[in-house]
Amino acid sequence: IQMTQSPSTLSASVGDRVTITCRASQSISSWLAWYQQKPGKAPNLLIYKASSLESGVPSRFSGSKSETEFTLTISSLQPDDFATYYCQQYNSLPWTFGQGTKVEIK
Amino acid sequence: EVQLLESGGDLIQPGGSLRLSCAASGFTFTNYAMSWVRQAPGKGLEWVSLISGSGDTTYYADSVRGRFAISRDNYRNILYVQMNSLRAEDTALYYCAKNRGYEGLLSNFDIWGQGTMVTVSS
Repeated sequence: IQMTQSPSTLSASVGDRVTITCRASQSISSWLAWYQQKPGKAPNLLIYKASSLESGVPSRFSGSKSETEFTLTISSLQPDDFATYYCQQYNSLPWTFGQGTKVEIK
Repeated sequence: EVQLLESGGDLIQPGGSLRLSCAASGFTFTNYAMSWVRQAPGKGLEWVSLISGSGDTTYYADSVRGRFAISRDNYRNILYVQMNSLRAEDTALYYCAKNRGYEGLLSNFDIWGQGTMVTVSS
């Protein structure tokens, strides 16, 4: 299953509402996760099952689904949120990731 | 505190072998499937292999099937991957990751280690 993530890079300012999209090449039900990765660090789980917020993750992060299109929204971008974000489908093996979206400071 | 600590990465010649380890702590290791995920320098994430909580079931990405072998020691709480016939394209930071469920299928990664670097080069 191919995961097409967009945009590849996003420039935004603190306080902006940010949306990242991931489209699956076939149905994956709601078996989708979002991860945040900062330079030199391991990925960190934000959202699982398309819209469930992982414990300890700020509520400004949210996920949604419309058929095979999934969205990660950051309601008000904070300085700590500048990072690369990946979606991942775990509906069927081989599990696959989107190519990543780098969120940069505008 | 839940923790995963990888080790064993090295510079290795093409065709060589290497075994990576991942020491787990802070959770009941045998209750969870575990995975290896890799990231080539400057690139995205690639799932490599999955093992069930019991160790009875394993899965591999096509790119490593037949060359890599995942295993676990549920007494010592250690995850392994034996990597044989290494190629330049296997060069990556290898992460171990805890799956949310026991069998692993339909489960995302909820805890990641810090990674160990494997460089395949002559």
